[in-house]
Amino acid sequence: EAQVTQNPRYLITVTGKKLTVTCSQNMNHEYMSWYRQDPGLGLRQIYYSMNVEVTDKGDVPEGYKVSRKEKRNFPLILESPSPNQTSLYFCASSLYTGRSDGYTFGSGTRLTVV
Amino acid sequence: LAKTTQPISMDSYEGQEVNITCSHNNIATNDYITWYQQFPSQGPRFIIQGYKTKVTNEVASLFIPADRKSSTLSLPRVSLSDTAVYYCLVGDRGTGGFKTIFGAGTRLFVKA
Repeated sequence: EAQVTQNPRYLITVTGKKLTVTCSQNMNHEYMSWYRQDPGLGLRQIYYSMNVEVTDKGDVPEGYKVSRKEKRNFPLILESPSPNQTSLYFCASSLYTGRSDGYTFGSGTRLTVV
Repeated sequence: LAKTTQPISMDSYEGQEVNITCSHNNIATNDYITWYQQFPSQGPRFIIQGYKTKVTNEVASLFIPADRKSSTLSLPRVSLSDTAVYYCLVGDRGTGGFKTIFGAGTRLFVKA
């Protein structure tokens, strides 16, 4: 089944403790992206990647890192999480770079930083 | 910088047609406009996409005027299961990459 898999689904952590949220897609998609979703603010893009070893900042990249060493994986790294990073996170992938259609989203990761 | 603006919420009754309009004043010449639907605790899913004029599929229609500064998603005869958040999405190539701009979305509530 074609899908985007995120792990974990739920995570509670403490301020400053490094964490990684994994994202993997099995569709050979070029474009991958991370979003955070907060009440009243919709989905905001954190980072995106147009291909292996090509990543760029979205609208809210502060406090996050990403890497794209393989086409299928696009982990989101929080080196020193803070409470304002408590949010619902979605990973997405798309076959085409440069088009806004055809995104497949993961099931989301609800992160709480205390 | 691309930006989308939609109404925050809308109410409707079962069987009615619902139209949700999104403004995107800075859309690039070659970018499409795409709409997604999101249910609670799920990721958004693709509904429809268009470039100009009118596009129709099995679930919705999309109307885009000639100036492409707005678009209207039309849901015919909504049901309770159409209660969800609807996002219009455009791309932003301003930085040389390709950001995707979702915006805050429109929460549609369908009543019996």
